Amino acid sequence: EDKVVQSPLSLVVHEGDTVTLNCSYEVTNFRSLLWYKQEKKAPTFLFMLTSSGIEKKSGRLSSILDKKELSSILNITATQTGDSAIYLCAVAAGGTSYGKLTFGQGTILTVHP
Amino acid sequence: DAGITQSPRHKVTETGTPVTLRCHQTENHRYMYWYRQDPGHGLRLIHYSYGVKDTDKGEVSDGYSVSRSKTEDFLLTLESATSSQTSVYFCAISESQGKGEQYFGPGTRLTVT
Repeated sequence: EDKVVQSPLSLVVHEGDTVTLNCSYEVTNFRSLLWYKQEKKAPTFLFMLTSSGIEKKSGRLSSILDKKELSSILNITATQTGDSAIYLCAVAAGGTSYGKLTFGQGTILTVHP
Repeated sequence: DAGITQSPRHKVTETGTPVTLRCHQTENHRYMYWYRQDPGHGLRLIHYSYGVKDTDKGEVSDGYSVSRSKTEDFLLTLESATSSQTSVYFCAISESQGKGEQYFGPGTRLTVT
């Protein structure tokens, strides 16, 4: 059974801090790892990492995939209150899985002013 | 935002009644998914579709059925609602399997009393 575990489950920081969120996975026939941000609504897509694209960056957010360690990290530098959200990690399996995503439990990030 | 709508957005129903949730997309994407989200569990896949009339079960499919008679519509039916099915339900779509990111609808909050 595919499994995705995120840590920590919750994190409280102050504006300006840098945070690192972790995601580890056990998936048969790994295809890609995705990060989503969820505020009080639907998840919104942040990054997708694959064997051919193990590092992504967008503004203050960056993510790295470690295929050897079966894990990924999401870094947020100079955090702002608008970064407060649930961050979800998901892994897609290939083959006949038709892109099914297995999600971790999520990390709840709270950024205080 | 991707062209995905869900209806209804909120519903309260009684135990034992059938309930149908609708997901409608205007993107002409082949793959559609239904997830439920509960505290501490992240998002869990209920059913998915890889084409018209082609569907399969996810990890929490008991008590649910789906149908897809047109590319744009994916229906989720709770055959006899139970309190354990109180949850937020998200529909997602994807253009390609595995490597393609999934885009989520706004969600339906279902309460079973």
